[in-house]
Amino acid sequence: NAGVTQTPKFQVLKTGQSMTLQCAQDMNHNSMYWYRQDPGMGLRLIYYSASEGTTDKGEVPNGYNVSRLNKREFSLRLESAAPSQTSVYFCASIPQNTGELFFGEGSRLTVL
Amino acid sequence: KQEVTQIPAALSVPEGENLVLNCSFTDSAIYNLQWFRQDPGKGLTSLLLIQSSQREQTSGRLNASLDKSSGRSTLYIAASQPGDSATYLCAVSVNFNKFYFGSGTKLNVKP
Repeated sequence: NAGVTQTPKFQVLKTGQSMTLQCAQDMNHNSMYWYRQDPGMGLRLIYYSASEGTTDKGEVPNGYNVSRLNKREFSLRLESAAPSQTSVYFCASIPQNTGELFFGEGSRLTVL
Repeated sequence: KQEVTQIPAALSVPEGENLVLNCSFTDSAIYNLQWFRQDPGKGLTSLLLIQSSQREQTSGRLNASLDKSSGRSTLYIAASQPGDSATYLCAVSVNFNKFYFGSGTKLNVKP
């Protein structure tokens, strides 16, 4: 059981480049989330998806887009990367019954 | 807006000591509270989940308590080991889908 899988684990971009972070969960969870973690700022919610076909903005959505491709997959896209988006990005999911958050290992993004 | 505070930000103890990590929150209307462990460069691993109707949960050497009326949760670690060294975060959820995280307590257990 792989849980929540994120790719890539590391990425270096130049300012203005675009990229997509992929997330997949194999636990049949309905809700999925994208967070960013920065020193001194804690975990901040970027976007979430309560169910397949729905997405909602979190605390810091500017500069990002998301797609809930199906129940398993939730991707995060940076259209024009900026140095302020240098961060560690975490995908998470929760089952309907307990509300317990499960996290992926993280994707470490550096924008030069 | 819910605010979650973890004090202290860092803690260093000798091996074998029992210790308590604190988590406080400002709004008692929570759905559940979850404690996580994060090792350097890694993701968050769920340790214990306490539903709003529960007072405590236990797993091995870990015990988490919840007092909604006072807006507090504690994570008790018995007989600490160097392998317990990590950052411990708590998170409270409101209306199932929204979570608020503390900034964590960095624990160092010295051999």
